[in-house]
Amino acid sequence: DAGITQSPRYKITETGRQVTLMCHQTWSHSYMFWYRQDLGHGLRLIYYSAAADITDKGEVPDGYVVSRSKTENFPLTLESATRSQTSVYFCASRDRGNTEAFFGQGTRLTVV
Amino acid sequence: TQLLEQSPQFLSIQEGENLTVYCNSSSVFSSLQWYRQEPGEGPVLLVTVVTGGEVKKLKRLTFQFGDARKDSSLHITAAQPGDTGLYLCAGRSGGGADGLTFGKGTHLIIQP
Repeated sequence: DAGITQSPRYKITETGRQVTLMCHQTWSHSYMFWYRQDLGHGLRLIYYSAAADITDKGEVPDGYVVSRSKTENFPLTLESATRSQTSVYFCASRDRGNTEAFFGQGTRLTVV
Repeated sequence: TQLLEQSPQFLSIQEGENLTVYCNSSSVFSSLQWYRQEPGEGPVLLVTVVTGGEVKKLKRLTFQFGDARKDSSLHITAAQPGDTGLYLCAGRSGGGADGLTFGKGTHLIIQP
């Protein structure tokens, strides 16, 4: 299916474990983004990518790692999950020269 | 860090009433967007405003960008239960791959 998809939709993990959230888009958009959404904070940018092999930190990057070996994929890894990383994570993509960002359905991550 | 302050945070009104949601900042943005988010879904773009003083209409929704490009408003006329949702404003300061700065959102409930 065309669009932007995130997996898994729901994930429960233990403190200290590594977990990877997947994001895949079929439009070949140049730009991709990871946000986290928390009550009282709204959506905050974690990392973004301008193209394959080009990534940069956003507002709240600590504790996260990203990679972008292919244009269509932008996985987000929590190297050692902490309870403070319990959140809803959204991946988004946007084409170069366009202002509209398209969001995935989100991954609800709970760290226990 | 650029901040976008949205008000009110919560609003519950009766069907048929009018309402205005505000998005204010001390920073200038090159463009400002309004998104709507429903439970369990990612944000979906409603409109982008680029020019200071710009007004855009989307059926019963009217969006305005302040003359100085620091603030915006969303006015809904004759609200309907289908308008219920989380409304987010988001600003971009540059033209590159950088992500959006989001306000914390306005939770709107339209009661029949």
